[in-house]
Amino acid sequence: DIQMTQSPATLSASVGDRVTITCRASQSIGRSLAWYQHKPGKAPKLLMFRASALDSGVPSRFSGSVSGTEFTLTISSLQPDDFATYYCQQYNSYSLSFGQGTKLEIK
Amino acid sequence: ELQLVESGGGLVQPGRSLRLSCEASGFTFDDYAMHWIRQVPGKGLEWISGLTWDSRKIVYADSVKGRFTISRDNAKSSLYLQMNSLRTEDTAVYYCAKDISPNSGNFFDSWGRGIQVTVSS
Repeated sequence: DIQMTQSPATLSASVGDRVTITCRASQSIGRSLAWYQHKPGKAPKLLMFRASALDSGVPSRFSGSVSGTEFTLTISSLQPDDFATYYCQQYNSYSLSFGQGTKLEIK
Repeated sequence: ELQLVESGGGLVQPGRSLRLSCEASGFTFDDYAMHWIRQVPGKGLEWISGLTWDSRKIVYADSVKGRFTISRDNAKSSLYLQMNSLRTEDTAVYYCAKDISPNSGNFFDSWGRGIQVTVSS
C-alpha cells in the first residue's frame, strides 16, 4: 500500500502569511494527488486534484506543485476562513490513502 | 443541490454489528462510484472502502477487510456499510463520499457531514 507522509502536523500562522504544507508519497504516484480542507463538524471540501488543478470555486491563493514524490500545497496569503485541517490523498491505486493531516492554527 | 446524508450510527458494544446508510440526492447516483471514509477521534482521515457504480469492483482497507461490507442500491440512491465484529478502534466519525467517476480509485468531490459510531462496552 502507498503511504502518505504529511508535514507539519501543526502550523501556526497569521492572516496574510504565506504557508506551505508538504506531502510525500512512499512510491511514485505521478500527479494522482488531491488536497482537502476540513473544518470541525463539517464535510471535508475538495480543494485541488491532479496535484495542482483547483476545484471549482477554490480561491486562487491556493496552489499546488509536485517534484517527484513530494507534493506541496501553498496558500499565498492566509485569510481567516483558511484556518482548518488540510489533508492530502493519493489515488494512484485502488487502495486509497490520506496523509495524517496538517492543522493550520491562528498564531 | 447535491447532498449526502449518513444515518445509522450510534453506540454499540464490541463484537456487535451496525449498518450505516448514506442517502444521496441532487445527482445521478448510479453514474458514480462511492466510498466510506472515517476519522478516528484526534486522528486523520482513513479511507475504508469503495465500490464502482455497478458494484462490480469493491475494495477494502486492510483494517476492515473481512468485517465490513459495502453495498449500494442504485434504485434507492443509497450506499450502505455493514459493520460486523466491531472493535473499540472502529470508534470514529464515518463519512460517505462521492467519487468523480463511475469507476473507483479516484478522489472525492462531495462528502456527507458524517455520522458518529462509538464502540464501547
